[in-house]
Amino acid sequence: GAVVSQHPSWVICKSGTSVKIECRSLDFQATTMFWYRQFPKQSLMLMATSNEGSKATYEQGVEKDKFLINHASLTLSTLTVTSAHPEDSSFYICSARDPGLETQYFGPGTRLLVL
Amino acid sequence: GESVGLHLPTLSVQEGDNSIINCAYSNSASDYFIWYKQESGKGPQFIIDIRSNMDKRQGQRVTVLLNKTVKHLSLQIAATQPGDSAVYFCAGSGGTSYGKLTFGQGTILTVHP
Repeated sequence: GAVVSQHPSWVICKSGTSVKIECRSLDFQATTMFWYRQFPKQSLMLMATSNEGSKATYEQGVEKDKFLINHASLTLSTLTVTSAHPEDSSFYICSARDPGLETQYFGPGTRLLVL
Repeated sequence: GESVGLHLPTLSVQEGDNSIINCAYSNSASDYFIWYKQESGKGPQFIIDIRSNMDKRQGQRVTVLLNKTVKHLSLQIAATQPGDSAVYFCAGSGGTSYGKLTFGQGTILTVHP
């Protein structure tokens, strides 16, 4: 149980384009999902908390207009990187919280390369 | 641009040895802790968790110890195997950060056959 998937697993795009990443909880309903960013050899940095049916809560320093989050159902959250630039290249990882628990289960990550 | 990363602590052990990975936390309100294993290019994988009302919890080949007095957490891996080679992160939540995890910097474990 507690399987979280992400799609795509990797994406290469041109500067200025937008990229959408999907995060799905496959075997449980997640009212709360989280989006993280990770640079090489660094820890995970929380970007935002995605709540089903309401607006996402962004961490300080994260541009909400650049990183659009939608959590339209109990099993799907999406992160859209708008007008991507090379500095947005990173490893993006989502997690889903098991309802009633604090445990977060992570997806496999999406590697984004902006040329 | 991309920020310069810190060098992660490293631990090298021989196959069959026991490994101990340490983690310190600063938020005294933290009351829930998790250890994750992250292999290269993959997302973190849940290993074991512990609540602050416990000092020790055991899983399969792993034990987590919690010392709230000095705000210290450790992960012990028994009979370490090459497949245990990965980066290990501790994470905690609680207080005003309920539901949100704060991650430690991670430790690179390398197991030599």
